[in-house]
Amino acid sequence: QIRLQPSGPGLVKPSQTLSLTCAVSGDSVSSKTVGWNWIRQAPSSGLEWLGRTYFLSEWHYEYALSVKGRITINPDTSRNQFSLQLTSVTHEDTAVYYCVRGHTWHLGWYFDIWGRGTPVTVSS
Amino acid sequence: QSVLTQPPSVSGAPGQTVTISCTGTSSNLGSIYDAHWYQQLPGRPPKLLIYGNVNRPSGVPDRFSGSKSGPSASLAITGLQAEDEADYYCQSSDSSLSGFVFGTGTKVIVL
Repeated sequence: QIRLQPSGPGLVKPSQTLSLTCAVSGDSVSSKTVGWNWIRQAPSSGLEWLGRTYFLSEWHYEYALSVKGRITINPDTSRNQFSLQLTSVTHEDTAVYYCVRGHTWHLGWYFDIWGRGTPVTVSS
Repeated sequence: QSVLTQPPSVSGAPGQTVTISCTGTSSNLGSIYDAHWYQQLPGRPPKLLIYGNVNRPSGVPDRFSGSKSGPSASLAITGLQAEDEADYYCQSSDSSLSGFVFGTGTKVIVL
């Protein structure tokens, strides 16, 4: 059974860096047909894809335009986990953050395994 | 930001059929990309319901079915049950945004 276990602080001060980690069990972050994503959901709002990393001969990184320049997603193969760092946070970054496995499908991807959400509040 | 448009809510009595639409543009559903659907129960992470427009993962009841035509996709729930009351989201890839986009979300209300 594949499980994604997130960890990280639930409270971050404005202008600081949000850091979350997601431990993967039952699969490898280096698997070739999957990618490792962060998706967030602001209060009473919809889902927003933030970015992903995946391994295909080498590591690839893709980020949403809305957070590009502030976001870094890194794999850690020794611990079989991946992380999210979001810098210069504001109140608009307050959301539930999900770590999610993406699966390749023909010319697109879908998200088949979701970790439990981590609520993160940006407040002083 | 949501790029795919869904109705805010749909409702139906138990046993009835409801349909949720998802309308995209030429850079996502109107292009080569498929639609995928997720169900989100209150306080829970989303769960994959349909992938590749019409495919159900193992364990998803066949009451749920999907379709796609041009830039629009649909999710149908037949034989509506009380446990189907949840939020539903469509999702696709987007070439202009170089990433993945979700629908605005639809709340299904079982009367």
